[in-house]
Amino acid sequence: NAGVTQTPKFQVLKTGQSMTLQCAQDMNHEYMSWYRQDPGMGLRLIHYSVGAGITDQGEVPNGYNVSRSTTEDFPLRLLSAAPSQTSVYFCASKRGQGSNTEAFFGQGTRLTVV
Amino acid sequence: AQSVAQPEDQVNVAEGNPLTVKCTYSVSGNPYLFWYVQYPNRGLQFLLKYITGDNLVKGSYGFEAEFNKSQTSFHLKKPSALVSDSALYFCAVRDMGNQGGKLIFGQGTELSVKP
Repeated sequence: NAGVTQTPKFQVLKTGQSMTLQCAQDMNHEYMSWYRQDPGMGLRLIHYSVGAGITDQGEVPNGYNVSRSTTEDFPLRLLSAAPSQTSVYFCASKRGQGSNTEAFFGQGTRLTVV
Repeated sequence: AQSVAQPEDQVNVAEGNPLTVKCTYSVSGNPYLFWYVQYPNRGLQFLLKYITGDNLVKGSYGFEAEFNKSQTSFHLKKPSALVSDSALYFCAVRDMGNQGGKLIFGQGTELSVKP
């Protein structure tokens, strides 16, 4: 059971370039989300989805788009990369919207924008 | 607004000694609390959670956490630390009814266990 799989693990972008971070889960979880991790700030929610075809914004959505065409996949798109988007990105999934279920995280994508 | 605070950026302990990583929270209503661990260059791994019931929650790798409602705390503990416990630890609270029940994370505490 692979859990949550993120690709790529590392990426360097030039300012203004676009790219897509991939996230896939094989646990049939309804809820998926993207976080970014910055030193001293914990993890902050970028976008989330409560099911296929449904997405919504988190705390820090600017500069990012998401889509959820299937239950398994939840890609994150950077439209025009900026140095402020240098961060470690984590995808997470959990079963349903229940408050008592824990989230499962991917191994992260370390992104550097130069 | 819901929030979580981890007052210590770093905790240093000697192997074999007990360890505590502190977490305090601020929520309206009943809290749903979680601890995660992040090893270098890895994702977050779930350790334990408090939903309701016993104030002492047992989790993975010998960790436990004590929920204290009057002090609004959820400290992570282990009776005897291992060098392999060295990692970054995050406390989190579920934000009820907001953004799909997102997790709100503390800033993290770096645990260093020395032989």
